[in-house]
Amino acid sequence: DTGVSQDPRHKITKRGQNVTFRCDPISEHNRLYWYRQTLGQGPEFLTYFQNEAQLEKSRLLSDRFSAERPKGSFSTLEIQRTEQGDSAMYLCASSSGYGNLNEKLFFGSGTQLSVL
Amino acid sequence: DQQVKQNSPSLSVQEGRISILNCDYTNSMFDYFLWYKKYPAEGPTFLISISSIKDKNEDGRFTVFLNKSAKHLSLHIVPSQPGDSAVYFCAASGANSKLTFGKGITLSVRP
Repeated sequence: DTGVSQDPRHKITKRGQNVTFRCDPISEHNRLYWYRQTLGQGPEFLTYFQNEAQLEKSRLLSDRFSAERPKGSFSTLEIQRTEQGDSAMYLCASSSGYGNLNEKLFFGSGTQLSVL
Repeated sequence: DQQVKQNSPSLSVQEGRISILNCDYTNSMFDYFLWYKKYPAEGPTFLISISSIKDKNEDGRFTVFLNKSAKHLSLHIVPSQPGDSAVYFCAASGANSKLTFGKGITLSVRP
């Protein structure tokens, strides 16, 4: 168990560019979540997957954001035409998802995005 | 509309004393509550949780109390240590494992 891994740790981009983040969950965890955290706020839910199926998306997730989890393993989060308001810490988390609804989430170290 | 509220942004306590961190929630459908600890530039780390069928859960120096009628929970740390200095997030979940977080409280433990 190597924990949740996120790549890159930091990303600086210019406004209008596209960026993609990767998350590798704890092996055999069925559920994978994406959160976003800005300064002074708690993590805000973006979307989550049960295996490869994307089951819920927050209204925060505009059409410039897309997430995938092919084959139910790693996940990618892409932001197209980045805006300065997208600057935040993007957190990935996973949980086992084996029918137990009361589960704790294990978080990665996050990707800090800065849009200039 | 914030469903999980941590109204105090910061707390400072002396080493060895008790730290009490408070959290309120508004959604009656929440039935599982968690506390996470976060250091700068790291992801949140799970600390302790409590199900709505209980009113207390203890793990070493950490105890979480749940008052369902008041929709209030608190985290007690006894004794507080300088290494406990971090941001603490209260979180809650309902029908699925999706967590709703509060804004966090910064705890500083003075040596």
